[in-house]
Order: sequence, then structure tokens, then C-alpha cells
Amino acid sequence: SQQGEEDPQALSIQEGENATMNCSYKTSINNLQWYRQNSGRGLVHLILIRSNEREKHSGRLRVTLDTSKKSSSLLITASRAADTASYFCATDWPDDNYGQNFVFGPGTRLSVLP
Amino acid sequence: ETGVTQTPRHLVMGMTNKKSLKCEQHLGHNAMYWYKQSAKKPLELMFVYSLEERVENNSVPSRFSPECPNSSHLFLHLHTLQPEDSALYLCASSQDGARYNSPLHFGNGTRLTVT
Repeated sequence: SQQGEEDPQALSIQEGENATMNCSYKTSINNLQWYRQNSGRGLVHLILIRSNEREKHSGRLRVTLDTSKKSSSLLITASRAADTASYFCATDWPDDNYGQNFVFGPGTRLSVLP
Repeated sequence: ETGVTQTPRHLVMGMTNKKSLKCEQHLGHNAMYWYKQSAKKPLELMFVYSLEERVENNSVPSRFSPECPNSSHLFLHLHTLQPEDSALYLCASSQDGARYNSPLHFGNGTRLTVT
């Protein structure tokens, strides 16, 4: 299966600390995306990194991609209580079909304690 | 406001009921998706529509029936559901296809409980 696997499953940190989440996948990809989900809500797109990119930044977020290891990491710096949520990676891989092939991992549950 | 609106937010139905979930996107996208999110399981893709044509049906039981009358609206018709179908049903849209490298935009979901 192409499914991404996030690691760890749950992470608890103090406000102001950095949080790092990892994602591994199995086959070649078009791109890898990170999403956030607050409890009981829909997913919100955070960052998309293409297969030919190695690092990308957006505000306090930093995403890296290592295609040789088939892995990605999401770093949230200077975390805030509002960052408490579940974080998912999704992989999209090349396909002859017109539709996109998004496959989500089971997610990392991040708790930021005040 | 996400640009993708789902109604109702909550739905409780018996196993013999028929109900429909509605999704509307205001983003000008041409692809729409239904996902199922159950407790402790990854998001499961159920259906994909591109330009109002269904391009993927991930072996979903026939008690779930999608309808996409135009590129802005998507329905999921529910009929004779089972208690294990209780879940959060998420609608998403994107600018299709894979060559656009475009992300998914999700609605806030319908929390379905089957009694």
C-alpha cells in the first residue's frame, strides 16, 4: 500500500517548544502534503512539497522530504496551545488515471500544554 | 469559512432510514471527493468525481450512493446503513488532476450516527 505512516502516534509538548512529526511512505510520489485537523472539524492543508524539492517553509512550519528514504518531517517551531490538533501526511503518486491519488496516514495527535 | 460547506453537521439515523449528505464548494474546483473517517483508522477515500464524472469508487458498499449534478455540488445518499457506518464523512474538492499538484480543501464534515 502507498499509505503514509506518521510517527509518533501522539506527542505532548510544552508551549514554546518545537514539535517534530515524521511520515514514511512506500513508493515513488508526485508530492507529499501535510494537513491539520482540529477535533471534530475538517482537514486544513498546511504545506505541499513536490518530489523534486527537499525543504519548504511556511511561517513556523518547516517540511523536509527525503525521497531516497521515502520520508518527510514536519517541524513546528515555538509551538502554541492553538497548534493542538492531529497532523496527517498525504502522498500523491503518479497515475495514468485523471483523478489524483491521495492516501492519508493515521496521523499524529499533538498536544501543546500551556 | 473553508469554501466547502457540508450539511447537515450531525445526523442520527436508524438502519432502515434513507438520508442524504450534501456538499457544496465555492472554489471553482473541478474535482470533488467523499472520505470516511472512523475512530482510530486512516481517512478512507470513498468516491472521486472529476468534471462531474465518477472516476473512482473504492469498493464502497452499494448502500452508499454518490451523486454529482454539477462541479459545485456533491451528494452522498445513504440507505439501509449499519452501525459500523457511523463515522465522520468529509467532502473535499481540488483542482484536478495530478499534474496540477493541487491540495484538497475539506468541509467540516457530517458526523453520522447509525442506531
